[in-house]
Amino acid sequence: EAGVTQSPTHLIKTRGQQATLRCSPISGHTSVYWYQQALGLGLQFLLWYDEGEERNRGNFPPRFSGRQFPNYSSELNVNALELEDSALYLCASSSPGTGNSPLHFGNGTRLTVT
Amino acid sequence: GDSVTQMEGPVTLSEEAFLTINCTYTATGYPSLFWYVQYPGEGLQLLLKATKADDKGSNKGFEATYRKETTSFHLEKGSVQVSDSAVYFCALRIGGNQFYFGTGTSLTVIP
Repeated sequence: EAGVTQSPTHLIKTRGQQATLRCSPISGHTSVYWYQQALGLGLQFLLWYDEGEERNRGNFPPRFSGRQFPNYSSELNVNALELEDSALYLCASSSPGTGNSPLHFGNGTRLTVT
Repeated sequence: GDSVTQMEGPVTLSEEAFLTINCTYTATGYPSLFWYVQYPGEGLQLLLKATKADDKGSNKGFEATYRKETTSFHLEKGSVQVSDSAVYFCALRIGGNQFYFGTGTSLTVIP
């Protein structure tokens, strides 16, 4: 089966611009999660979508937003980019309902803000 | 609340040494437990999992046993290789779709 795919692989933006990151989950997975991983640090939970709805949100400002489409793909939008938004953004998906399935991760989008 | 506490790194070992990375958890219910590995420039890959008490997950020579009595899920490998150099994350899944990750432990194996 195809894994979680993310695009673009790399993204370079200028401070104040907007960035859009995209994610396609594994076929059959309805939940999509977004994480931020700054250099050398752990995962910071951003957003969780399931069946098109935002289910949970991490401790990030409102300029981080996203949505999930009817085909379960998702996009993450970051407005008014700041230098500290430079990080690896990871998308993950999981299958619905089963309590013991793991998250499956994509390879991430490396966002650089200059 | 639910959480995962993971051994601080970085860890540096010589090739063929024994590896232990400690992971303990706090959970209000009955979580599933996972270890993930992240190689440089990549996303996280599932290394192994255990879904109930006393389960042992294993993969690529790595093992971890779900210990309910000590709320632990320590990762072990008997003989590490240079190719095992990576960052390792412990994680739990609780309440259906809630996931919690440890802070990650960087492992460097030197020849």
